[in-house]
Amino acid sequence: ETGVTQSPTHLIKTRGQQVTLRCSSQSGHNTVSWYQQALGQGPQFIFQYYREEENGRGNFPPRFSGLQFPNYSSELNVNALELDDSALYLCASSLGQGNTGELFFGEGSRLTVL
Amino acid sequence: GENVEQHPSTLSVQEGDSAVIKCTYSDSASNYFPWYKQELGKRPQLIIDIRSNVGEKKDQRIAVTLNKTAKHFSLHITETQPEDSAVYFCAAPGGSQGNLIFGKGTKLSVKP
Repeated sequence: ETGVTQSPTHLIKTRGQQVTLRCSSQSGHNTVSWYQQALGQGPQFIFQYYREEENGRGNFPPRFSGLQFPNYSSELNVNALELDDSALYLCASSLGQGNTGELFFGEGSRLTVL
Repeated sequence: GENVEQHPSTLSVQEGDSAVIKCTYSDSASNYFPWYKQELGKRPQLIIDIRSNVGEKKDQRIAVTLNKTAKHFSLHITETQPEDSAVYFCAAPGGSQGNLIFGKGTKLSVKP
């Protein structure tokens, strides 16, 4: 059974640039959620994708967008990067939509915005 | 909206002692309360969860208790070991579909 994998593991961008982060879900899982984890904080929900459609969204601006593909892998895109976007971005897969089941997290993509 | 508060932010215990971490939530409709453990530089992993139809759940040295009336739930770790050292997060369902709201975390240090 393949776990959740994310790429890249680390990246550095400058303010105003755009970034795409990628996630492969655990085999058999059809739902992907994205979280932002600032240093010393708990993960904060960005959005969830279920069967290629956005299923729910947290309090993040529209410059945070995503996609889910037919194989259930997913991308997180962030436009017009700001310094406060520096964080660990975690992808989590699960079986079924919603928020009452176990999340299987990837190791994360650490984004630094200069 | 839903809010989850977690205390304490740091906790230091001697090996073999017990550790208790407490969380409160605001939405009385919440029905699922997981606890995640995140070791330094690692991914968060679920260690135990409880649903609102029970008041307590145990798994070896770990237990979770839920008080729906007071809207709080707690993680109990007995006979702590150095490998229990990590950051622990509680969570509860948020207002939007798919949203899980995490507490700010408790850094547990178990001293040998």
